[in-house]
Amino acid sequence: NAGVMQNPRHLVRRRGQEARLRCSPMKGHSHVYWYRQLPEEGLKFMVYLQKENIIDESGMPKERFSAEFPKEGPSILRIQQVVRGDSAAYFCATATGMSDEQFFGPGTRLTVL
Amino acid sequence: AQTVTQSQPEMSVQEAETVTLSCTYDTSESDYYLFWYKQPPSRQMILVIRQEAYKQQNATENRFSVNFQKAAKSFSLKISDSQLGDAAMYFCAYRRSGGYQKVTFGTGTKLQVIP
Repeated sequence: NAGVMQNPRHLVRRRGQEARLRCSPMKGHSHVYWYRQLPEEGLKFMVYLQKENIIDESGMPKERFSAEFPKEGPSILRIQQVVRGDSAAYFCATATGMSDEQFFGPGTRLTVL
Repeated sequence: AQTVTQSQPEMSVQEAETVTLSCTYDTSESDYYLFWYKQPPSRQMILVIRQEAYKQQNATENRFSVNFQKAAKSFSLKISDSQLGDAAMYFCAYRRSGGYQKVTFGTGTKLQVIP
């Protein structure tokens, strides 16, 4: 049973470009959480999605960031017009249900030049 | 809002010795979970130990144990017989019970193990 997959593991973008981060949940998991870890900090919640629905996006920056979890395929965290301050590690965690244990992916390290 | 505080940015321990990492938290909930995660240089988040707030007994996983003081809102991690592979960032984390489960993390403690 494969764990939570994230790709790419490392992503380099220039300022103004778009970044797309993918999270493939474990089999049977339909709940996805995205977290961001800025350098020298702990993880901070960004958004919680169930299949095709955003449940809580209270941790998402208001502009340039969006997330989706389509019926088929991975969850996508999209960052438009990236800036240097977006450089961070982005983790997703998935769960079978709302109240169930979260399993973390290996993270995507985004570097904005 | 829930907060998690780790007041030790860095700690060091001699190999084979014991070290305790501190964590305090703030919540108005009575039922919740507490965690310690290990993040090695690979940056993978590895669950070390988990404590359910309604359980008075402290959780233990091999060389890792916790001291959970609910009234004091304290949740420290003890690592016994420290090994070189224990060197990592350690994050204390909180998640309330019921409903959906976003996790709140502390800022981490960097543990160095000295050979």
